[in-house]
Parts: sequence; structure tokens; C-alpha cells
Amino acid sequence: DAKTTQPPSMDCAEGRAANLPCNHSTISGNEYVYWYRQIHSQGPQYIIHGLKNNETNEMASLIITEDRKSSTLILPHATLRDTAVYYCIVRVASEGGSQGNLIFGKGTKLSVKP
Amino acid sequence: EPEVTQTPSHQVTQMGQEVILRCVPISNHLYFYWYRQILGQKVEFLVSFYNNEISEKSEIFDDQFSVERPDGSNFTLKIRSTKLEDSAMYFCAGRLEGTYNSPLHFGNGTRLTVT
Repeated sequence: DAKTTQPPSMDCAEGRAANLPCNHSTISGNEYVYWYRQIHSQGPQYIIHGLKNNETNEMASLIITEDRKSSTLILPHATLRDTAVYYCIVRVASEGGSQGNLIFGKGTKLSVKP
Repeated sequence: EPEVTQTPSHQVTQMGQEVILRCVPISNHLYFYWYRQILGQKVEFLVSFYNNEISEKSEIFDDQFSVERPDGSNFTLKIRSTKLEDSAMYFCAGRLEGTYNSPLHFGNGTRLTVT
């Protein structure tokens, strides 16, 4: 089972920041937080990941609380094309395929509205 | 940017037939995965594959399923005798070796319809 909790759905106005929360209160010290999204039955698309520091790339920012029990994915200027299901996943990061698996939950369906 | 390529995009087959789904991973990826997603449901892990052998498999991955990487490039999923409940999107994924937190990169899937 997924080790994260996300709201089932959220709305965001086009051009505004979308802040997607994720609770992972049982996260272990060696587990990373990964964010993926899935646009209309396409393959899951990698967005960003982090361990304890905040991270930023060209797609999004990831804010992880100091106790690591929750995080927020921020899309700074949401567009209609950002409408998707967003998945927050915790995963042990190590070599070996057996520990590289991602366990997907139901995610948050983000609807960006004009 | 390199992509994971899956073929065919849509496969229709009759119950009891064998199907082979194909994936061409990104060239420097060495860990490979198959996932599936039944319509309206979660993305589910099937199997992981490294160094030419299965690393881990889920309960879904029973004796009807097999994987191989016969020529060092293509990564295939075979379903020996398809059932109606095998109808789903099947996603291939890969990741780098050598970076312990490397993310998985997914293809856009094959839609399998069993009639």
C-alpha cells in the first residue's frame, strides 16, 4: 500500500501557483519523496524528488518539512496543460531493482481552470 | 531528451492468445520495470528486472507472465494466455544504475484490449 496521503482533488486558476500537499508521516530516514504526474492515461511523468532539502527544477519546487512528515509540490504558474493526477511517492533509494519500485496511490487530481 | 518507447500503442487480442509487449528503454538505463493500470484504477507494479533476471515481482505477475531482454535493447513482457481481466494499460519504465536515488522514467504505454 502507498505510504502517503493526498487530497483526492484540487482546483487551481490558470496562472496561479498550485500547491499540492502530501502527508508521509511514517517516512523512514532513507526514503526519498518523489512526485510524478499522469496526464490522461499517458505514462507517469517524473517531476521532482528530494530527501530533506527543498528542491527546484524547471517544472516545480518541492518543499519538505523539517520533520519530513509532509511535503508540498509547487507548480509556480499553473497552465491548462498541468491538469493531471499528481502522485506523491516515498521510496527507499538504493541500488538493486528490488528496492527501486514505486508504489502508486490514488494521487491528487489537479484541475487547472481558465 | 531520450524517451522510453513502447510498441504497439494499442493491441487487441482474443482471450487465450499470447501477446508480447515491447519496450525500448533509454540507452543508459539498466534497471527495468513493468507496471499496469486497469481503467480507472491505480498504477500497479508488476515486475522489476536487472542484470538479465527478475529482481522482484508482484502477486499479479503469475506464471502467465514473463519478461526478457533478448538482444540487450528491447525489453519485453509476454502474456502467455490472455484473460479478459488482463485488459489494461501496460507501462514500461527504466532507471539509471549508479545513482541510488535515480527516478524511474516511463513510456507512454500499450493499451491491451482482450476480447
